[in-house]
Amino acid sequence: EPEVTQTPSHQVTQMGQEVILRCVPISNHLYFYWYRQILGQKVEFLVSFYNNEISEKSEIFDDQFSVERPDGSNFTLKIRSTKLEDSAMYFCASSVQGLAGTDTQYFGPGTRLTVL
Amino acid sequence: AQSVAQPEDQVNVAEGNPLTVKCTYSVSGNPYLFWYVQYPNRGLQFLLKYITGDNLVKGSYGFEAEFNKSQTSFHLKKPSALVSDSALYFCAVRDIYSGAGSYQLTFGKGTKLSVIP
Repeated sequence: EPEVTQTPSHQVTQMGQEVILRCVPISNHLYFYWYRQILGQKVEFLVSFYNNEISEKSEIFDDQFSVERPDGSNFTLKIRSTKLEDSAMYFCASSVQGLAGTDTQYFGPGTRLTVL
Repeated sequence: AQSVAQPEDQVNVAEGNPLTVKCTYSVSGNPYLFWYVQYPNRGLQFLLKYITGDNLVKGSYGFEAEFNKSQTSFHLKKPSALVSDSALYFCAVRDIYSGAGSYQLTFGKGTKLSVIP
């Protein structure tokens, strides 16, 4: 069964450094998402991406964040200058189509980001 | 704004007994509702969803959920729990009136299910 994959599984970085989290969505999916979960808190939406554009973003997704689909398979989340509060588990997800929100989003295993 | 509440941080149930994991939601309009499960070191795995139609939804691994509009609930159930069902369970909602192109899911905090042998 096709799965969303994410690398690395754990990333440790120093405050102020740039990090890139990578995701390979399911191959025939068209919509891509990033969510994050700070330890002990809810899973929160960051951004959705379709047709090489951001279709929606949350208040969390400020100018320090960016997303890109650099090739036909990868989908990346970049944090330009990490802060301590960026420490969280970051989940990538994909869906076949948006279908007005009825479509199922399939999630990857997550990347645990630790900012020191 | 949409929101989800999972009132129990942890649910313990004996193997073979029925289990229920509770979820209530708040949306402006009609909801799309989802259940996901997370096993240790794994991602969120889709279990089932309610979009429209029959209030009882059947999903993977013998799980089902009942949509109750009057109580704004979408409780997850299974008739006979297995030890392998022990995991973290997340309820999520999307309001169909969130706006065109808005597909974000709003999650509950999660409920840890422990099935005791």
